Amino acid sequence: AQKVTQAQTEISVVEKEDVTLDCVYETRDTTYYLFWYKQPPSGELVFLIRRNSFDEQNEISGRYSWNFQKSTSSFNFTITASQVVDSAVYFCALTLRGAQKLVFGQGTRLTINP
Amino acid sequence: NAGVTQTPKFRVLKTGQSMTLLCAQDMNHEYMYWYRQDPGMGLRLIHYSVGEGTTAKGEVPDGYNVSRLKKQNFLLGLESAAPSQTSVYFCASSYSIGLAGSTDTQYFGPGTRLTVL
Repeated sequence: AQKVTQAQTEISVVEKEDVTLDCVYETRDTTYYLFWYKQPPSGELVFLIRRNSFDEQNEISGRYSWNFQKSTSSFNFTITASQVVDSAVYFCALTLRGAQKLVFGQGTRLTINP
Repeated sequence: NAGVTQTPKFRVLKTGQSMTLLCAQDMNHEYMYWYRQDPGMGLRLIHYSVGEGTTAKGEVPDGYNVSRLKKQNFLLGLESAAPSQTSVYFCASSYSIGLAGSTDTQYFGPGTRLTVL
């Protein structure tokens, strides 16, 4: 069975600090897909990134970066120079090739204080 | 292009009442999904559909029924609501599996907050 663990339930930092959200996953399959979603206070789920298991390249998008390490089964998300608008619940999720089910972690509530 | 929309946004039911949640997508996606979100549990899949006229059970299907009569719509029904069904419900859609068995990204609607008293 697949499992996603986000051990950090809540994180609170001051604006402009860097913050890393941890995601650890479990699966016996060799082909899988990892995702990060953002859920702002308004409640919708916003897709941020998708990563395939055969592509371990890290990715940077503006202030956001993702570090995928198969050796430690981790897919961590870093926000550089955080802003108040980054305050949200962030979910990491996993699915297998051909599967219809996304397995979500419990989410990390990130609060950026001015 | 509205993406994925859900109706209604909020609803309060009494135990035993029935209701239907409507999900619509305008992205011509083959696959559609219903999830529920409960505090501390992330999202869990209720039912899903891989195409018009087909549905399948997800992780927590009990107490719910679904129908996919049109490609763009996916309905979630509660025949006899229970307090345990108080939750936020999300609909999502994605393209079909695609070439080489890849898996496409799921895009979510804004959610429906349901309270069962």
